[in-house]
Amino acid sequence: DAGVIQSPRHEVTEMGQEVTLRCKPISGHNSLFWYRQTMMRGLELLIYFNNNVPIDDSGMPEDRFSAKMPNASFSTLKIQPSEPRDSAVYFCASTGVAGNTIYFGEGSWLTVV
Amino acid sequence: AQTVTQSQPEMSVQEAETVTLSCTYDTSESNYYLFWYKQPPSRQMILVIRQEAYKQQNATENRFSVNFQKAAKSFSLKISDSQLGDTAMYFCAFMIGGTSYGKLTFGQGTILTVHP
Repeated sequence: DAGVIQSPRHEVTEMGQEVTLRCKPISGHNSLFWYRQTMMRGLELLIYFNNNVPIDDSGMPEDRFSAKMPNASFSTLKIQPSEPRDSAVYFCASTGVAGNTIYFGEGSWLTVV
Repeated sequence: AQTVTQSQPEMSVQEAETVTLSCTYDTSESNYYLFWYKQPPSRQMILVIRQEAYKQQNATENRFSVNFQKAAKSFSLKISDSQLGDTAMYFCAFMIGGTSYGKLTFGQGTILTVHP
């Protein structure tokens, strides 16, 4: 079975540019999560969806960040405009109805210069 | 709020030996799960082992086992017969069951180096 698929794996962009990160959860999973990993803050939950509906976005750092899940097999995390402090590894993760095992994608390594 | 503490920033072990990574957590919840994730240099987050709080029996997965002490709120990971491929950052994580499925709280991580 395919795992959680994220793209791009690496992205380098200039400050002020729009960045879009993409995620395809595991087929059949109904919950999707976006996490961010930085040296300063470690791993933190940004937002999660259940059945394509955003449930908790309290971890989204500011209005420059937005996330969507238009269908069960696709989600995006957008940063506009990007800033150097947004440089981090962004993980997408998903889980099924049982919810007790969370599977992570390989991460998108973002560098904003 | 839940907290997870990994008090060992770095650990090292010789190949084929056994090493134990420590983790403590704090919660007032009764329905929860605990996890160990491995993060190699590739940065991928790989699930190593999971423990349900309601289970008294310690989880095991091949060379990996946990020592779950619920009263002490301790959840250590033992790696037996360490291999070079075990070199990675290891994260302990906590999750409340029920409506909070998937909301993981992570510890700071322990860097494990396995020496030949």
